[in-house]
Amino acid sequence: GQNIDQPTEMTATEGAIVQINCTYQTSGFNGLFWYQQHAGEAPTFLSYNVLDGLEEKGRFSSFLSRSKGYSYLLLKELQMKDSASYLCAVRDIRYSSASKIIFGSGTRLSIRP
Amino acid sequence: DVKVTQSSRYLVKRTGEKVFLECVQDMDHENMFWYRQDPGLGLRLIYFSYDVKMKEKGDIPEGYSVSREKKERFSLILESASTNQTSMYLCASSTKETQYFGPGTRLLVL
Repeated sequence: GQNIDQPTEMTATEGAIVQINCTYQTSGFNGLFWYQQHAGEAPTFLSYNVLDGLEEKGRFSSFLSRSKGYSYLLLKELQMKDSASYLCAVRDIRYSSASKIIFGSGTRLSIRP
Repeated sequence: DVKVTQSSRYLVKRTGEKVFLECVQDMDHENMFWYRQDPGLGLRLIYFSYDVKMKEKGDIPEGYSVSREKKERFSLILESASTNQTSMYLCASSTKETQYFGPGTRLLVL
């Protein structure tokens, strides 16, 4: 089956940098997503990686290593509004041409002043 | 602007009732998904659909069914609601590179 692991909670300081790691195991890997979810709201899309390497988008960057089954989300110049849960999700096309997107349990990030 | 809408934000039902949760997207996406989200368990995939009338079971399909009669609409059905189906239900649709979520339906089964 699939297995996606990420830390449950992290704390960081306003203005700093934080890296949220995600490891996954699936034989039908076809892309990895990162989402941000504020309490009581739906997840919002942050990034998508399908090839190895770093994708930068403003203060947020996402990295993927397919050989290691590993990704991270890097948040720079942290702001208080970045306090949220960050969800890692993997697309798996093992069983059919349909795309099955499976989520990790999420990392709750708290930013302190 | 991308839009995924769900029929209700909050719903209260009684045990044994049949419950319909509707999801509509206006982006002509082929792929649509239903998840439930519970504290400590993250988002768990119930069912997904990759075309009209096509559906696939996710990780927790028991107690649920789905219907995709039109491309824009994906319905989740609880045939006989039970208290352990109290949860936040999230619908999503996707392109290859992006997945968009609806606002969610918080269902309470008494």
